[in-house]
Amino acid sequence: DAKTTQPNSMESNEEEPVHLPCNHSTISGTDYIHWYRQLPSQGPEYVIHGLTSNVNNRMASLAIAEDRKSSTLILHRATLRDAAVYYCILRAANDMRFGAGTRLTVKP
Amino acid sequence: NAGVTQTPKFRVLKTGQSMTLLCAQDMNHEYMYWYRQDPGMGLRLIHYSVGEGTTAKGEVPDGYNVSRLKKQNFLLGLESAAPSQTSVYFCASRPSRQETQYFGPGTRLLVL
Repeated sequence: DAKTTQPNSMESNEEEPVHLPCNHSTISGTDYIHWYRQLPSQGPEYVIHGLTSNVNNRMASLAIAEDRKSSTLILHRATLRDAAVYYCILRAANDMRFGAGTRLTVKP
Repeated sequence: NAGVTQTPKFRVLKTGQSMTLLCAQDMNHEYMYWYRQDPGMGLRLIHYSVGEGTTAKGEVPDGYNVSRLKKQNFLLGLESAAPSQTSVYFCASRPSRQETQYFGPGTRLLVL
């Protein structure tokens, strides 16, 4: 099964951009790249997903490397409410494998 | 829309007891999922369903059973609870033609 690797934790200052990296060197051609985040004591929340091209939505941007072996979630202006655990996930069929994620701390 | 709801929010069981966790969604989604999350870890898929009357095993199905008798409900059963099943259980649903999964608030289960 394809696996993702993320840093355990990252820090950011409020109102600055944040780049959260994810490595997935064993990704297959049909795996979608998903990002979810989980705030304390809540269920995961969808952030963004993509297959090959970069994607933008109101929450974030997803930059996917040309070889698809890595991706980066970009929060353009971090707020205190963005403090959460961010999961990079490869979705194959009905299987989404969550890793331990990156804990993002946002400093005021 | 209430979205995805889970019942109960919290439960304490003794080893060997049985219980059923209920997940309900009012979005008419075809797909439903049950995950567990242990402390400091990501979610792991227990069972899932691609439609009413169908279920399939996920990554960690042992010790659990599921049923999807109605499209809006997905039940997770523990026939004989064990301390290793102490966890937070999350349910999710998604439409068949979209990628986004919508998660419930979770059920915290403690097995003594």
